[in-house]
Amino acid sequence: GNSVTQMEGPVTLSEEAFLTINCTYTATGYPSLFWYVQYPGEGLQLLLKATKADDKGSNKGFEATYRKETTSFHLEKGSVQVSDSAVYFCALNGANNLFFGTGTRLTVIP
Amino acid sequence: GAVVSQHPSWVICKSGTSVKIECRSLDFQATTMFWYRQFPKQSLMLMATSNEGSKATYEQGVEKDKFLINHASLTLSTLTVTSAHPEDSSFYICSASGGTGVDEQFFGPGTRLTVL
Repeated sequence: GNSVTQMEGPVTLSEEAFLTINCTYTATGYPSLFWYVQYPGEGLQLLLKATKADDKGSNKGFEATYRKETTSFHLEKGSVQVSDSAVYFCALNGANNLFFGTGTRLTVIP
Repeated sequence: GAVVSQHPSWVICKSGTSVKIECRSLDFQATTMFWYRQFPKQSLMLMATSNEGSKATYEQGVEKDKFLINHASLTLSTLTVTSAHPEDSSFYICSASGGTGVDEQFFGPGTRLTVL
């Protein structure tokens, strides 16, 4: 079946620190992979995506590479800002549905 | 970007009553709307998919008579939790799509339901 496992939070970092949020998946077939972000009081927004193996999705300084051999799609950012504080969800599509991880809350302190 | 609103943002009700949650696409026509449920520290779980003017398609294990979904227009879908019980307490999130592809969903901010 389809499932996503992501690291539990919360994660607290100082401004300008390096961020990694791990995400691994189980899927039938070859899904597209996504990272969504939810800022306080707002809906989930698509942050980045990758549609096939070795693709790298990137947006707003965030990156994630579709690793088929390790079934992973880890989210990284070289230097986080206070404005990056949010909940991050890893997801995959399967059977025309989205399957989400549990979300990781990131807090960046000045 | 496309905006989706939900109302109310939170609601508290007594056991046995019904609660209606609205999901609106504010600046685009949503041919498809999705309803998700999220328990604390758990994933968003798809409950049902609705297309404007037709009956919703429910995921396995979701009671269609308990969670009534109406998608009467291209900008509005409603979820009614009938005869709510404490175990229905959860965070309900809707999303809307005007195109093809699962990644073209725009999400509402969610509704926190607490049943006493």
